[in-house]
Amino acid sequence: QKEVEQNSGPLSVPEGAIASLNCTYSDRGSQSFFWYRQYSGKSPELIMFIYSNGDKEDGRFTAQLNKASQYVSLLIRDSQPSDSATYLCALTGGGNKLTFGTGTQLKVEL
Amino acid sequence: EPEVTQTPSHQVTQMGQEVILRCVPISNHLYFYWYRQILGQKVEFLVSFYNNEISEKSEIFDDQFSVERPDGSNFTLKIRSTKLEDSAMYFCASSGVIRGTEAFFGQGTRLTVV
Repeated sequence: QKEVEQNSGPLSVPEGAIASLNCTYSDRGSQSFFWYRQYSGKSPELIMFIYSNGDKEDGRFTAQLNKASQYVSLLIRDSQPSDSATYLCALTGGGNKLTFGTGTQLKVEL
Repeated sequence: EPEVTQTPSHQVTQMGQEVILRCVPISNHLYFYWYRQILGQKVEFLVSFYNNEISEKSEIFDDQFSVERPDGSNFTLKIRSTKLEDSAMYFCASSGVIRGTEAFFGQGTRLTVV
């Protein structure tokens, strides 16, 4: 049984700051890792994915993966009020099924 | 930009009735999925579908549920004899040809069983 753990938050950061969202997982066989953003009442929206150890940058977003520590993170630079949402960490193993964490609520304050 | 579309956006049904949720996946995708999210809880996998058959299903996906690709574009989830605890957001998703690639979600169908 794959488990994905996230702090539910809320994580509050001021506008313009860096938001750091963290996720740990239990199954060492997990292969692909995804960050989704979910606004209240809406569907998950893919932000980025990472397969290899290290950092992957896409605009204001950086995903970090450390398979030895079973840890994935998402950094959001220059946080904006529109970034306020729940951020879902998800992973796949050998197949395509996504296993989600409960999500971290991010609040970007003016 | 291609997107996954779901209908209806909201469905209210009486307990014991059958419902069919519909999805049109992204046109060149080959893997299709149903997930559900009970209010306040995490997104849960129900079933994946590839090459006209179920490739994986969760413990939630019991005999009450079935999926079908009736034509070249639609993908449906049928829930027979609905129960109050089936009330949730149901999301359809699709992903591309390579295993492990990212899945894109539809806007969801909110199912309310009364």
